Amino acid sequence: NAGVMQNPRHLVRRRGQEARLRCSPMKGHSHVYWYRQLPEEGLKFMVYLQKENIIDESGMPKERFSAEFPKEGPSILRIQQVVRGDSAAYFCASSPVSGNEQYFGPGTRLTVT
Amino acid sequence: GQQVMQIPQYQHVQEGEDFTTYCNSSTTLSNIQWYKQRPGGHPVFLIQLVKSGEVKKQKRLTFQFGEAKKNSSLHITATQTTDVGTYFCAGEIAGANSKLTFGKGITLSVRP
Repeated sequence: NAGVMQNPRHLVRRRGQEARLRCSPMKGHSHVYWYRQLPEEGLKFMVYLQKENIIDESGMPKERFSAEFPKEGPSILRIQQVVRGDSAAYFCASSPVSGNEQYFGPGTRLTVT
Repeated sequence: GQQVMQIPQYQHVQEGEDFTTYCNSSTTLSNIQWYKQRPGGHPVFLIQLVKSGEVKKQKRLTFQFGEAKKNSSLHITATQTTDVGTYFCAGEIAGANSKLTFGKGITLSVRP
């Protein structure tokens, strides 16, 4: 059973470009969570999705950021018009049911130049 | 807003010493989870505590959930260099859509 997969692992974007981060949850998991981590900081919750539904997006900035988890395919975190402050590690996690332990992917390290 | 606190952020121990760290929440939690992240790696789930006063052991690691379900502790007996990493606690508030609030973590270094 493959673990949570994220791609790309590293992404470099210039200011103003778009960044698309993908996450494939573990097989059988329908709950996906996105987190952002800055160096020497904890994990900051961004959004919680189930298939085709956003359950909680209270941690996601209202502008430029969006997330989806379509019926088919991976979950996507999209950042439009990136700025230097968006540089961080973005982790995706999945769980089989809500409230259970979360399995994390390897993360995408986004660098905005 | 709801906060989960882990203080201090760093601790250095000599190999073989015991280590204890604490996690405190401003709000009663429905459960608390602990994760470990190695440098350059991703968080890995260690344990989940649900019941008031619950104690769970994993080899040299002992986890406890406070009676009021607002704090937790992690104790490592006789630390080894393999224990190096950052330990995060994460609390789930009842009715909060299963959202986990993570503490900032404590980074443990072990001198051989």
